[in-house]
Amino acid sequence: AQSVTQLDSQVPVFEEAPVELRCNYSSSVSVYLFWYVQYPNQGLQLLLKYLSGSTLVKGINGFEAEFNKSQTSFHLRKPSVHISDTAEYFCAVVRSNDYKLSFGAGTTVTVRA
Amino acid sequence: GAGVSQSPSNKVTEKGKDVELRCDPISGHTALYWYRQSLGQGLEFLIYFQGNSAPDKSGLPSDRFSAERTGGSVSTLTIQRTQQEDSAVYLCASSTGTGLYEQYFGPGTRLTVT
Repeated sequence: AQSVTQLDSQVPVFEEAPVELRCNYSSSVSVYLFWYVQYPNQGLQLLLKYLSGSTLVKGINGFEAEFNKSQTSFHLRKPSVHISDTAEYFCAVVRSNDYKLSFGAGTTVTVRA
Repeated sequence: GAGVSQSPSNKVTEKGKDVELRCDPISGHTALYWYRQSLGQGLEFLIYFQGNSAPDKSGLPSDRFSAERTGGSVSTLTIQRTQQEDSAVYLCASSTGTGLYEQYFGPGTRLTVT
């Protein structure tokens, strides 16, 4: 089985400041990695995914993440956040031969002016 | 095009009643998933349908939960004899395939059992 740990449950940040959300995973087999965002009272929206190849992946809304196999991490970053980035962010993995997403507990990002 | 839709958006029911939650996946998506999002358990997988294959029900928490998918499209999640611990947001997702294929999520149904 695989597990996902999001190291921060709450991240307050000022507008235009950078933000990093940390995600570590454990799995005995290779996995695909995802970051989803959930705005209040909405479903999940995919920000970006890592399948293979370049370890730095770019997603929507200026987000990027870096896959680090040796540290089994997939941290999400944005160099300058906006008020509209206030949301909950979920890291998720799926084994390469499977279909069930396993999610972390989520990180709530609150952007303040 | 249209995304995944779910109905109702909110459901309040009394303990012991049965409820049905509906999911309309994106047209042409062969895979359909149900997840539950609750305060205590986070996001957890419930059930998976793929084409005409037998569904993977391994995530259903009890035999009070069941789901079906008719005609390879619409899915209904049924909870019988609801309990307060069933209160959660039930999310449906669909995809064109599995594994590396993006799962597109609906807005969810918020179920409150009183």
